[in-house]
Amino acid sequence: AQSVTQLGSHVSVSEGALVLLRCNYSSSVPPYLFWYVQYPNQGLQLLLKYTTGATLVKGINGFEAEFKKSETSFHLTKPSAHMSDAAEYFCAVSDNAGNMLTFGGGTRLMVKP
Amino acid sequence: KAGVTQTPRYLIKTRGQQVTLSCSPISGHRSVSWYQQTPGQGLQFLFEYFSETQRNKGNFPGRFSGRQFSNSRSEMNVSTLELGDSALYLCASSLVGGRGSEKLFFGSGTQLSVL
Repeated sequence: AQSVTQLGSHVSVSEGALVLLRCNYSSSVPPYLFWYVQYPNQGLQLLLKYTTGATLVKGINGFEAEFKKSETSFHLTKPSAHMSDAAEYFCAVSDNAGNMLTFGGGTRLMVKP
Repeated sequence: KAGVTQTPRYLIKTRGQQVTLSCSPISGHRSVSWYQQTPGQGLQFLFEYFSETQRNKGNFPGRFSGRQFSNSRSEMNVSTLELGDSALYLCASSLVGGRGSEKLFFGSGTQLSVL
């Protein structure tokens, strides 16, 4: 069985500061890993994904994440937060059996001016 | 290109009733998945359809069912509604699914309230 743990249900940063959202996973098979963002009253939008190859993955809006197999982690970072980054972020894992994603509990990012 | 369309946007039902939610995927997408989002349980996978066949199913009771039509549009049905079924139901589409690595495109969801 797969599982995802996101440390910190709420993270607050100042505008211009580093954003770090933590994600740890467990999977019995090599995982596919995703970060999705959800803005209020909207569905989820893919930020980035790791399937195979380079472990540092770049996504949209300046976000990136690094797959660390030894630490079973896939933390999301952005060098400089913007007010528009305020949203809820979800880490997810899947195997190669289909589109059944297992999501973490989500982290709500707040950006202070 | 139009995105994933879910209708209706909001629904209010009472316990014991049944409800049908609709999802139109992005044109050309053949895989449709459904997820339930609640404050307590978070995002949970309900089921996935491809070519009118259910390919995967999550851990939900039989009251939750779905189907997919030949044009890839999908519906999900919840019978004998319970208070705990109140949730945002999200539909996601992808080209073919089945590989786990595909990008999912999500609709804005249907907010179901059960009174």
